Amino acid sequence: AQRVTQPEKLLSVFKGAPVELKCNYSYSGSPELFWYVQYSRQRLQLLLRHISRESIKGFTADLNKGETSFHLKKPFAQEEDSAMYYCALATGGGNKLTFGTGTQLKVEL
Amino acid sequence: DVKVTQSSRYLVKRTGEKVFLECVQDMDHENMFWYRQDPGLGLRLIYFSYDVKMKEKGDIPEGYSVSREKKERFSLILESASTNQTSMYLCASSSPASGQTYNEQFFGPGTRLTVL
Repeated sequence: AQRVTQPEKLLSVFKGAPVELKCNYSYSGSPELFWYVQYSRQRLQLLLRHISRESIKGFTADLNKGETSFHLKKPFAQEEDSAMYYCALATGGGNKLTFGTGTQLKVEL
Repeated sequence: DVKVTQSSRYLVKRTGEKVFLECVQDMDHENMFWYRQDPGLGLRLIYFSYDVKMKEKGDIPEGYSVSREKKERFSLILESASTNQTSMYLCASSSPASGQTYNEQFFGPGTRLTVL
């Protein structure tokens, strides 16, 4: 069965410090992975997807099939990055997503 | 501007009541989903639908049912609400996957349900 693991419930960093939010997955098929973000009092929204291989708001994520990981990284954290981040794995037909338990990122001044 | 709307932001119900949560999307999406969001547990899929009158169970369907009579509307029904169904409920929609590429899910603002 598919599974997404985000080991950190809370990650606290100082402004300007590098950020890495960890995500590991378990899936027998060819994975397609996403990062979704939820800012305070806003709806959940897509941040980025591995297939796009692009940087969004300074964040990048590389799919490592050998380590079954899709960690989210940003070299210099900003206060506005404070949010809840969910890693998600697309499985089966019809766009079904399996979400991790989420990591709350807090960027301190 | 794409939109998924949910009928209520906050709802308080009593144990045993029948509860309806409504979701409407204006993007002509075939796929619609209901999740519950709980601290430490993330998002868990309750039910989803690929088409009108079609539904499939997600990971935690017990105690819930759904209805999709029109393409734009997907309803979640709690037949007899219980306190362990107190949660944030999120609705989402998406267009079908094309080949090997899955499409973004668009989420509603959520309904915070409290069952007393």
